[in-house]
Amino acid sequence: GAGVSQSPSNKVTEKGKDVELRCDPISGHTALYWYRQSLGQGLEFLIYFQGNSAPDKSGLPSDRFSAERTGGSVSTLTIQRTQQEDSAVYLCASSLAKGWEQFFGPGTRLTVL
Amino acid sequence: DAKTTQPTSMDCAEGRAANLPCNHSTISGNEYVYWYRQIHSQGPQYIIHGLKNNETNEMASLIITEDRKSSTLILPHATLRDTAVYYCIVRGYNYGQNFVFGPGTRLSVLP
Repeated sequence: GAGVSQSPSNKVTEKGKDVELRCDPISGHTALYWYRQSLGQGLEFLIYFQGNSAPDKSGLPSDRFSAERTGGSVSTLTIQRTQQEDSAVYLCASSLAKGWEQFFGPGTRLTVL
Repeated sequence: DAKTTQPTSMDCAEGRAANLPCNHSTISGNEYVYWYRQIHSQGPQYIIHGLKNNETNEMASLIITEDRKSSTLILPHATLRDTAVYYCIVRGYNYGQNFVFGPGTRLSVLP
């Protein structure tokens, strides 16, 4: 595809369940970012991958959050034991390389009941 | 902590130029000014970026003051589809993480 894609577009889950969110970056982009955006708020950085380097996890809010990027392409953000405060839109972005402009996917809207 | 300050909201008449200001008084020499926008229910969209020279592309113009402490994004002929939240972001070229989005400016283009 031409842009960043994310799946699912919407996810409703019960408190305490685990969820996995997927991001397919633009082909050839070596940098990949995860953000989240709570209702009416700005974007909050979560984690960043660049090539084969160790990811920058400094934005992950708790150890219930983890992410991996397989083969330098697709990334999965996992939230374990979801809480209601995890409800947000989770956005993925990719860029050609570190420091280049980022292109965002449409996001996954997560609702934790 | 966002390094930029922007007005919370602005209105603009359709067909007129929309001028969105941004203050970044603590910007350092190797930091660029980026603008993104987010239309309701969509992911952020890159608009333009610059270092110290004014920049123009098919979407907008970016005017950066000589001291680089502020900038203005100009949409020359705003349309209803330009209604969005506009984010001004300052970040260095040598690191891509921690891309800090503040609350942005909610631009409403009015018919």
